[in-house]
Amino acid sequence: KNQVEQSPQSLIILEGKNCTLQCNYTVSPFSNLRWYKQDTGRGPVSLTIMTFSENTKSNGRYTATLDADTKQSSLHITASQLSDSASYICVVSASNAGNNRKLIWGLGTSLAVNP
Amino acid sequence: EPEVTQTPSHQVTQMGQEVILRCVPISNHLYFYWYRQILGQKVEFLVSFYNNEISEKSEIFDDQFSVERPDGSNFTLKIRSTKLEDSAMYFCASSARSGQPNTEAFFGQGTRLTVV
Repeated sequence: KNQVEQSPQSLIILEGKNCTLQCNYTVSPFSNLRWYKQDTGRGPVSLTIMTFSENTKSNGRYTATLDADTKQSSLHITASQLSDSASYICVVSASNAGNNRKLIWGLGTSLAVNP
Repeated sequence: EPEVTQTPSHQVTQMGQEVILRCVPISNHLYFYWYRQILGQKVEFLVSFYNNEISEKSEIFDDQFSVERPDGSNFTLKIRSTKLEDSAMYFCASSARSGQPNTEAFFGQGTRLTVV
């Protein structure tokens, strides 16, 4: 069964600190892995998309890693800001004959950045 | 910056009534999707739509649901005879293409449906 699991479920850090969020997946066949940021009551916003051959990808203070052998990914947030408070969702795309329509969603890590 | 827009932002309806959720995808996108997120749960895929027809749907998307692109710009989700368990946030998304590995889907801000 295709699944995406994230840890921790929630995290509280102080402004300016770094943090790392984890994602483990069992999705086959694998197409790509995405990290989304979802503010409360809003739609998800894409942070990074990584394909099988990519090990790391950065988007400003966000750096995602992917280990396709162990089926693990992480999202590292550097020098956190209050506006980073949100849910961070790991999403894996299961490809089927080249199609990319179906996304398998994790439950997300709820991050709170406190002053 | 182009964005996906959804209306209304919040819809309250009585059980058994029909609702139509509306979405305006990004103008040059060809693939459209509906997802839902029940409070505290994962986002769930409902349906994808391309070339004026459903290309894939999940087991959630039964006869109670239908989608339509009535005028070339709007993309609607109709829920007939709503049930309490249909209460959720419904997200519309669109993408320029579907077959490439790193195609990004852009999401609207969602419509919160409350069935009472």
